[in-house]
Amino acid sequence: GIQVEQSPPDLILQEGANSTLRCNFSDSVNNLQWFHQNPWGQLINLFYIPSGTKQNGRLSATTVATERYSLLYISSSQTTDSGVYFCAVVYGSSNTGKLIFGQGTTLQVKP
Amino acid sequence: DGGITQSPKYLFRKEGQNVTLSCEQNLNHDAMYWYRQDPGQGLRLIYYSQIVNDFQKGDIAEGYSVSREKKESFPLTVTSAQKNPTAFYLCASSWTYSGNTIYFGEGSWLTVV
Repeated sequence: GIQVEQSPPDLILQEGANSTLRCNFSDSVNNLQWFHQNPWGQLINLFYIPSGTKQNGRLSATTVATERYSLLYISSSQTTDSGVYFCAVVYGSSNTGKLIFGQGTTLQVKP
Repeated sequence: DGGITQSPKYLFRKEGQNVTLSCEQNLNHDAMYWYRQDPGQGLRLIYYSQIVNDFQKGDIAEGYSVSREKKESFPLTVTSAQKNPTAFYLCASSWTYSGNTIYFGEGSWLTVV
């Protein structure tokens, strides 16, 4: 099956810093999403981005499907950005809606 | 408010007991899903459903059962056959079977004591 690898596994930032999170996947995908899981376990959808670039406030994401990776940019980080960031994909022609999750990047933003 | 409601938030179960986790959505979504998350891990798919009275096994369905009698409801039963049920369980829904944008409930913590 498809492999979804996220890097780095852990990241500590000072408030105000910028960061880039990476998601590599081993096969073609027809659905890629980024999620933020807060310390209480709630998963929030950040981007649906199987290809191209999107921006939402301080966050932006780029997926280069032909090269099988996606990047999540966080600018001017805030303590509320802390949590775990997941990349998840649906791959191939299965069209099943089965999201395959990476292991996540744990971000800690210090004041 | 529109969204996905899971209950209970916290549940303790004795070994050998079945428990049922509730998931209700008022987003009029066709597809619903159950995922399991273990500490420090990503999510894994247990079951998913496209339409009423239809559901499919995910990657880790053994020891679990589901029903989809109504569009808005997708309860998950963790049976005594599930050997390691202590985990965080997340219900989700989306507009189309192909996934599109998927939305999650707040989750249910299940602990076996």
